[in-house]
Amino acid sequence: ETGVTQTPRHLVMGMTNKKSLKCEQHLGHNAMYWYKQSAKKPLELMFVYSLEERVENNSVPSRFSPECPNSSHLFLHLHTLQPEDSALYLCASSPYPGQAYEQYFGPGTRLTVT
Amino acid sequence: KQEVTQIPAALSVPEGENLVLNCSFTDSAIYNLQWFRQDPGKGLTSLLLIQSSQREQTSGRLNASLDKSSGRSTLYIAASQPGDSATYLCAVEYGNKLVFGAGTILRVKS
Repeated sequence: ETGVTQTPRHLVMGMTNKKSLKCEQHLGHNAMYWYKQSAKKPLELMFVYSLEERVENNSVPSRFSPECPNSSHLFLHLHTLQPEDSALYLCASSPYPGQAYEQYFGPGTRLTVT
Repeated sequence: KQEVTQIPAALSVPEGENLVLNCSFTDSAIYNLQWFRQDPGKGLTSLLLIQSSQREQTSGRLNASLDKSSGRSTLYIAASQPGDSATYLCAVEYGNKLVFGAGTILRVKS
């Protein structure tokens, strides 16, 4: 596969469930990102990882827990979510964070919290 | 606060028209500005990236301009086609983060 892939593409979970979103990039990039896109709101940056270290945490509630085991994989662990967390979660990667590099996005995971 | 605003929020045009989408940003200390396209329920596709030192970028029927001093960018689409129908997002890079506008929903009617 090429580019940035995300699994699952759709997820429905209850508020007491624990689930994880997975992102994988095949571009040899060193930076990876999680974004949240809620209905009728601009895309919001959640986390930035550079060389597997978190470099940005944009005031995200602790019920979202990211993990970056290597530069190709990024996870978002979810637990005790709220209905307002229902959104499209997008993963992206770039050669390095910032420094005017283009970001490449995955197709997203559509999350519904019931 | 770093904010990005896009005007109009929605646009409907007949096929073949040339059109302009607008983006403005409050903090001019940018690294770059990107225009993305998003189809319903899908991820983002990067269309054009303009470095902070550049004034414009072109790709096919698309032309994006950047005026850092006034905090504005425009995306010009020539000879629009129904396949151009999508949401167009403007994003400004500050350090480690991209700040997105809310997008312009474009519909090109055949």
